[in-house]
Amino acid sequence: EAGVAQSPRYKIIEKRQSVAFWCNPISGHATLYWYQQILGQGPKLLIQFQNNGVVDDSQLPKDRFSAERLKGVDSTLKIQPAKLEDSAVYLCASRPTPKGMNTEAFFGQGTRLTVV
Amino acid sequence: AQTVTQSQPEMSVQEAETVTLSCTYDTSENNYYLFWYKQPPSRQMILVIRQEAYKQQNATENRFSVNFQKAAKSFSLKISDSQLGDTAMYFCAFMKPGGKLIFGQGTELSVKP
Repeated sequence: EAGVAQSPRYKIIEKRQSVAFWCNPISGHATLYWYQQILGQGPKLLIQFQNNGVVDDSQLPKDRFSAERLKGVDSTLKIQPAKLEDSAVYLCASRPTPKGMNTEAFFGQGTRLTVV
Repeated sequence: AQTVTQSQPEMSVQEAETVTLSCTYDTSENNYYLFWYKQPPSRQMILVIRQEAYKQQNATENRFSVNFQKAAKSFSLKISDSQLGDTAMYFCAFMKPGGKLIFGQGTELSVKP
C-alpha cells in the first residue's frame, strides 16, 4: 500500500511570497490532516478534512493560510503572503475511517518550508 | 479544549536499559484514544502504540508498553531493552470522537551505546 505522498520536500521562499504544498493521502482514507511543526515543537493541527468537508480549522490563520481538498482526495495548503514565522515542517496525514477511532493516522514525510 | 503535556523535553538511556517517557492529558471526554508516535530525523511519524480509553488493560507492542491511568489522565511509554534505533522524538497524542488528533510537545530520546 502506498503511503501518504507530499511535495515538495523542501521549499525556500522570501517573505511576502506565496507557496503551496500538495498532499496525496492513502487511497480510500476519508480523513486528512494538515499540521504545522515548528522546530523543536509538537505538530499543531491546522485543518482536518473529512472527505471534502472541513471538520476543524480553528487554528488555521485564515488571513494567510487556505486549504482545499477537491473531490475528497488530494489536498493543497497555501500560504499567501508568507511570514518569517511560517518557517516550519508541514505534515500531511490521513486516516481511513471517518466514524471509528480504532485507526491510526498515517503521515507523509512533510515539506520543510524556510521563509527568508 | 483538550491538551497534551510531555514534561520531559529530553531523555537519555543506555543501550539495553529501560526508559519511561511521561505524558499527561486533559479532557472531559470519556471515550478517546491515546497514541505514542516516533519521529526519527527523517521526519516520518511512525505509530509506536495505541490505547483505547475504555480498555483497562495496558497496551503492549514487543518492547513497548504503556501505563495508562485514566483517572489520573496519565499515559506513559516504557521502552525495554533500548536499541540505538529507538533514538528519535517521541510524541504523545490524543484523539477524541470526531477524529481530532492533538499532539504533545515531544520528548527527544537518545539511546547511548
